[in-house]
Amino acid sequence: GENVEQHPSTLSVQEGDSAVIKCTYSDSASNYFPWYKQELGKRPQLIIDIRSNVGEKKDQRIAVTLNKTAKHFSLHITETQPEDSAVYFCAASRMGGSYIPTFGRGTSLIVHP
Amino acid sequence: KAGVTQTPRYLIKTRGQQVTLSCSPISGHRSVSWYQQTPGQGLQFLFEYFSETQRNKGNFPGRFSGRQFSNSRSEMNVSTLELGDSALYLCASSSVVQGGAEAFFGQGTRLTVV
Repeated sequence: GENVEQHPSTLSVQEGDSAVIKCTYSDSASNYFPWYKQELGKRPQLIIDIRSNVGEKKDQRIAVTLNKTAKHFSLHITETQPEDSAVYFCAASRMGGSYIPTFGRGTSLIVHP
Repeated sequence: KAGVTQTPRYLIKTRGQQVTLSCSPISGHRSVSWYQQTPGQGLQFLFEYFSETQRNKGNFPGRFSGRQFSNSRSEMNVSTLELGDSALYLCASSSVVQGGAEAFFGQGTRLTVV
């Protein structure tokens, strides 16, 4: 089955800095990669996703890049703000059929004001 | 549109007991998945139900079981509770048959086994 590795497990940055979270996956057939944000005491929510037919996707201060050859994808957050502090999960899945996303173990991002 | 609702929000049980958790998906969503979340382990997939059938199953012992009703509501049961079962249990619903659809999570049920 699919295996998703996520690094780092904890990331501490100063407000205004950039943050990068990296994930690797094992199943070359995976073609859908969502990212979820979970604030303390709240449910995980989708913040951005990317499909394997594109290499990069941006949404304001967040962007995701995908390297299918190397089987890794990354989340980039620019100009971090204290409200970005949360646990971020990457996941890998397949379009079509009944595939369930496999999640990474999560990255706790702390943005210091 | 109401979100995914999980009940109860908190539970305290004793070792050896059993527990049933409930999940009501977003109206129209037919796929319901269950996850166990513990610190450092991320989201561990338990099982997924679609149209009252278990379609996918994770690597959890048989003490963990579930079912889905005709209205797509799902229940998860854990028998013979162990201390290690203490965790946040999340369910997620999604709208389409195929993979690649956004998963909408409930607030979770925090289970503590003492």
